[in-house]
Amino acid sequence: QQQVKQSPQSLIVQKGGISIINCAYENTAFDYFPWYQQFPGKGPALLIAIRPDVSEKKEGRFTISFNKSAKQFSLHIMDSQPGDSATYFCAASSGETSGSRLTFGEGTQLTVNP
Amino acid sequence: DAGVIQSPRHEVTEMGQEVTLRCKPISGHDYLFWYRQTMMRGLELLIYFNNNVPIDDSGMPEDRFSAKMPNASFSTLKIQPSEPRDSAVYFCASGPGNSYEQYFGPGTRLTVT
Repeated sequence: QQQVKQSPQSLIVQKGGISIINCAYENTAFDYFPWYQQFPGKGPALLIAIRPDVSEKKEGRFTISFNKSAKQFSLHIMDSQPGDSATYFCAASSGETSGSRLTFGEGTQLTVNP
Repeated sequence: DAGVIQSPRHEVTEMGQEVTLRCKPISGHDYLFWYRQTMMRGLELLIYFNNNVPIDDSGMPEDRFSAKMPNASFSTLKIQPSEPRDSAVYFCASGPGNSYEQYFGPGTRLTVT
């Protein structure tokens, strides 16, 4: 029940296209859903996050869509650029039971071709 | 702020040797996390501290692994004795007490031969 399932494992998109990465969870106690971006040789970096009281959050070209009833959330990267090529991780946390502990998805390796 | 600092960045050691990884969290952060990343298992939480106190060490693989946080600005992860299957990138992350955000360090790439 603590798992977060992420798909696809890898994604190739052309420059200017839309990249979409999906995550699903089971634990209804989760109340914080961040996305992390990781470049080779670096640590993951917080990209954008959402709470379940809203269905969408947008920051620049990055948007999280959240579907509470389906227990799913997704990351959309609009106008994808080669510099967006990285590994993306979704995660979830339930503050009441685990403090700041995050459960991570398996990761999606995104390649944006020029 | 310099962010989370980890040392060493790379460590190569022989099986059976003791390995100590070090972490300096962001000043003022109440939480500190140790993660291990491998291709096979992804990002695994090993242990985390709140105000220097270990809260959950259920991810620590076995007794060969131990972690300490003697003060708010320093933590260590020790592996004794090390084994080839411990080869991975180890990340330290810290987070403020008033949010769920975590800030990761650059990681230590450990190779055990």
